[in-house]
Amino acid sequence: GENVEQHPSTLSVQEGDSAVIKCTYSDSASNYFPWYKQELGKGPQLIIDIRSNVGEKKDQRIAVTLNKTAKHFSLHITETQPEDSAVYFCAATTGNQFYFGTGTSLTVIP
Amino acid sequence: DADVTQTPRNRITKTGKRIMLECSQTKGHDRMYWYRQDPGLGLRLIYYSFDVKDINKGEISDGYSVSRQAQAKFSLSLESAIPNQTALYFCATSEGYGEAFFGQGTRLTVV
Repeated sequence: GENVEQHPSTLSVQEGDSAVIKCTYSDSASNYFPWYKQELGKGPQLIIDIRSNVGEKKDQRIAVTLNKTAKHFSLHITETQPEDSAVYFCAATTGNQFYFGTGTSLTVIP
Repeated sequence: DADVTQTPRNRITKTGKRIMLECSQTKGHDRMYWYRQDPGLGLRLIYYSFDVKDINKGEISDGYSVSRQAQAKFSLSLESAIPNQTALYFCATSEGYGEAFFGQGTRLTVV
């Protein structure tokens, strides 16, 4: 099955700085890569996603890049704000199960 | 109302007891999932269902069973709870392999 690795497990940044979270996957058939944000006491919520026919996608301060050859994809958050503090999960799927990374706890220091 | 509702939100049970976690969704999606979240381990799939007649084991199905009572309802049972099943459990639903919508989670403690 698919194996998704996510790094780093914890990340602290100053408010206004950028944050980058990286994931790798093993199954070249994976074709959909969502990113989820989980706030304390809540379920994960989709913040951005990318499909295998696209190399980059941006939504305001959030962007995701995908390198199919290297089998890795990354989440970029610019101009971080305290409300960005949360746990972030990457995932990959071939169309059946979602395989999640182990999560990154992001803390934005005011 | 939430798109995905889980009950109960919190539960403490004793070792050996049978317990059921319930999930209902209003998205009208065919696919439903049960995940378990443990610190440092992310979200691990227990069972998933692509329609009412379809049930599939995930990576950690031992000790669990599920029932898909209707398109909108998917319940998870622990036949005989043990302490290492203490975790946060999430139900989710998706349309195909698009966005997955998660419930608020059930925090289960087995003592």
